[in-house]
Amino acid sequence: KAGVTQTPRYLIKTRGQQVTLSCSPISGHRSVSWYQQTPGQGLQFLFEYFSETQRNKGNFPGRFSGRQFSNSRSEMNVSTLELGDSALYLCASSLDASYGYTFGSGTRLTVV
Amino acid sequence: QQQVKQSPQSLIVQKGGISIINCAYENTAFDYFPWYQQFPGKGPALLIAIRPDVSEKKEGRFTISFNKSAKQFSLHIMDSQPGDSATYFCAASGNNDMRFGAGTRLTVKP
Repeated sequence: KAGVTQTPRYLIKTRGQQVTLSCSPISGHRSVSWYQQTPGQGLQFLFEYFSETQRNKGNFPGRFSGRQFSNSRSEMNVSTLELGDSALYLCASSLDASYGYTFGSGTRLTVV
Repeated sequence: QQQVKQSPQSLIVQKGGISIINCAYENTAFDYFPWYQQFPGKGPALLIAIRPDVSEKKEGRFTISFNKSAKQFSLHIMDSQPGDSATYFCAASGNNDMRFGAGTRLTVKP
C-alpha cells in the first residue's frame, strides 16, 4: 500500500513569507502528527490531528498551525517565516497516535 | 521539556561489535516504546518496539531491554554492520502522544 506522502519535498522561502506543507497519510490512518527536525534537536513535536481535531500541540509559537481534512489529509502552515524555521518537517500517520507511526520522507524547508 | 532523554549523541563501533543506545523517560503514562532508524534524506522508519509488560524483545540482531522501575530502555545492535550506520531515535508514547529522544548517530567502521 502507498506510504505517507509529503509535498513538496524541497522548498525555499524568504524571511517574512508564509508556507503551507501537505501530508497524505496511509489509507485508513486517521491520526496525523507533525514534527520539526533540526540538527542536534531531534524530532520536536508540533501537533497531532485525529478526525479533523487537534488533540495535542507542542511548544511552538502560534505562527505554526495545522489542519486536517475529512479525508485525513493534513496541512501545516508557517506564517512570517524566520531563518530559524529552516528544518526538515516530517509528517507521520497512524491508526492511533500512540502506536505504529509511519513517517513520510519530509519537506526540507530553507528560509533565506 | 524533554520527556525522553537519549544517549550517547554519537557512537562509533567496529564492524562485528555491539552498539548500545540508552533512553530514559519521565511520564509513567507512556506504554509503548519504539525505536526508529533514519537514513539521510529519508524519514524515520520503525525498527523495533516494546510494551512495558515485557523486559526484553529481540528481532534478529536488534534487542530492546526495558526496565520499568527505572523508566529506562535501551537498544542493542549485535554484530553491527556498516549498513547499520544511521541515526537512531528512541520514543515513548501513550495517551495519543509520542515523544522522541534527540537521536544517536551511529557509525559502524568496516
